[in-house]
Parts: sequence; structure tokens; C-alpha cells
Amino acid sequence: SQTIHQWPATLVQPVGSPLSLECTVEGTSNPNLYWYRQAAGRGLQLLFYSVGIGQISSEVPQNLSASRPQDRQFILSSKKLLLSDSGFYLCAWSAGKSGNTIYFGEGSWLTVV
Amino acid sequence: AQSVTQLGSHVSVSEGALVLLRCNYSSSVPPYLFWYVQYPNQGLQLLLKYTTGATLVKGINGFEAEFKKSETSFHLTKPSAHMSDAAEYFCAVSDLTGGYQKVTFGIGTKLQVIP
Repeated sequence: SQTIHQWPATLVQPVGSPLSLECTVEGTSNPNLYWYRQAAGRGLQLLFYSVGIGQISSEVPQNLSASRPQDRQFILSSKKLLLSDSGFYLCAWSAGKSGNTIYFGEGSWLTVV
Repeated sequence: AQSVTQLGSHVSVSEGALVLLRCNYSSSVPPYLFWYVQYPNQGLQLLLKYTTGATLVKGINGFEAEFKKSETSFHLTKPSAHMSDAAEYFCAVSDLTGGYQKVTFGIGTKLQVIP
């Protein structure tokens, strides 16, 4: 069966420091991969999606970047964190067709201080 | 462009009462619709989904939703609320955009169950 894991679960970082959140999927190949950010009262905002290795698309301009170095690995990064980057980040995957379920990781709480 | 509107960011029901969480969608193509549940500090878990076929969809934990094309709605219901149903619920619509599966979520509805 397929599983998705992301880490770390919680992170407290100072303003201006770098960020790396990692996500891996097991039990499937060539998945669509996603990074979402969740803010209270605003639902889930899609940050990045990827349909293959090295193929990254961004939905919104921001201080973050994403990379997909391997088929089932998706990394969210920042060179210099801002206070506004604080939030709950969710990695997700799907098989890529419209009716497919999107499966979510456990989430990562990022607090920028 | 697709969109999802969830009416009521907070809903309170008594234990044993009917749960009704509202969702309306906008999509330029036949939609694929989902309901997810999120417990505190966790990821989202699929409750149910509509792709094609029967418009009344049954999910986990006794929830069900009915796709009504004429009303562009996909409301979530459960006949009798349980304390364990207290969580945040997200409605979502999916289609293929630019070669990838794009899923748009509503802002979520927090369900409170009162003993």
C-alpha cells in the first residue's frame, strides 16, 4: 500500500534562517506531488505541484521554493524565512487523474520567530 | 476556474442531532468532488468522493453526501452526530488543468459537537 511521510513534524526557526521540509511517498511511482499551506480561516493554499522529477510549478509567488530530486521525494525550501512563512504545511500526492484521491502527509508546523 | 464555497466556517450540533455541512462548487467541466476531515494537528483524511455514477455517496464514519448538479452542491450529512465527529471538514473539487490534477479546497467548516 502507498504511504506518505513528511518531516519534521514541528520546527521553530528564527527569521532569516533557511528551511527544508521533506516529503517522501512509498508504494507508487510517478505520482503528482503537492505542497499546501494551511492558515486558519483560509483553507488550504496550493504552493507547488510537480508532475515529474525536476518539474516544479508554483501557484503563488512567495519566499519559498520546491524541488523534486527523485521520483517520490519532494522538498520545500527557503533561503531566508519571514515571519509570514509560519503555518502548517502539508505534503500530498495523487495518481494524477481528475477523480483520483489526494493523500496527505501528517503535516509540519513551522513557527518563525 | 473552479472554486468551492463552504457556508458556515463554524457549525455546532448536539450529540445525536443531524449534521449538515454545506458545499457549493463552480467548475467548467463535470466535477470530481471530495470531502476531507482533519483532526487537530493532523493531515487530511478522505471521507468520501464523487466521480461518476450514483449521486448519493457513502463514506466512512456514517457520513454521506449527495451530488446535485442543478444546485451545484455537494452537502455532507450524518444522521446522528457523535462526539468523535468534532473536527474540521473540507470540501474540494478536482479537475485536470495543464496536465496535472488540480484540487481546490474550500476554507473549511469546524464542527463542534455539544454533549
